[in-house]
Amino acid sequence: DAKTTQPNSMESNEEEPVHLPCNHSTISGTDYIHWYRQLPSQGPEYVIHGLTSNVNNRMASLAIAEDRKSSTLILHRATLRDAAVYYCILRTTSGTYKYIFGTGTRLKVLA
Amino acid sequence: GAVVSQHPSRVICKSGTSVKIECRSLDFQATTMFWYRQFPKQSLMLMATSNEGSKATYEQGVEKDKFLINHASLTLSTLTVTSAHPEDSSFYICSAREGITRHNEKLFFGSGTQLSVL
Repeated sequence: DAKTTQPNSMESNEEEPVHLPCNHSTISGTDYIHWYRQLPSQGPEYVIHGLTSNVNNRMASLAIAEDRKSSTLILHRATLRDAAVYYCILRTTSGTYKYIFGTGTRLKVLA
Repeated sequence: GAVVSQHPSRVICKSGTSVKIECRSLDFQATTMFWYRQFPKQSLMLMATSNEGSKATYEQGVEKDKFLINHASLTLSTLTVTSAHPEDSSFYICSAREGITRHNEKLFFGSGTQLSVL
């Protein structure tokens, strides 16, 4: 299974941008990069996903490196409600596809 | 966004009993659903992939006779923990795949079920 590597934790000040990195050096050409986040005692929620080009939506932006071996989730203005564990996942296309969660990054937002 | 309903949210049962957890996609059809379990302060661990109308595919180390998965319709998948024991106590989360192609596919998750086996 293709793996992702993320820092265990990060801190950000409220109202400031946050850049959450993810390494996925074993990514294959057709694997999509997905980001989900999980608030305490809840199921994860979808944030954003992409293949090669940078992506934007109302929640965040996803910047994908040219070689696709890494990506960065960008929260433009962090709020206290953004405090969560953020997971970077590769949606594999080889064999039986599945979503394998890594350890994720616990984001703490400081008021 | 799409909604996945998971019930019950919390269940306490005696050792040796069976517990059924339901996962419903409310406003879309889900040909594929995934079941995860999560221990405190840990990540989600994929247990099995459930495809509508066929047998579930279990991850290595997950006992299929222990964790029975049924995906009888495009909107409902169930996980039954049979003869539950205290070590089965965990947070169980289902997710449903929404979207037809890899390009627009997303996962939507239930709110989870906290199982406590006494």
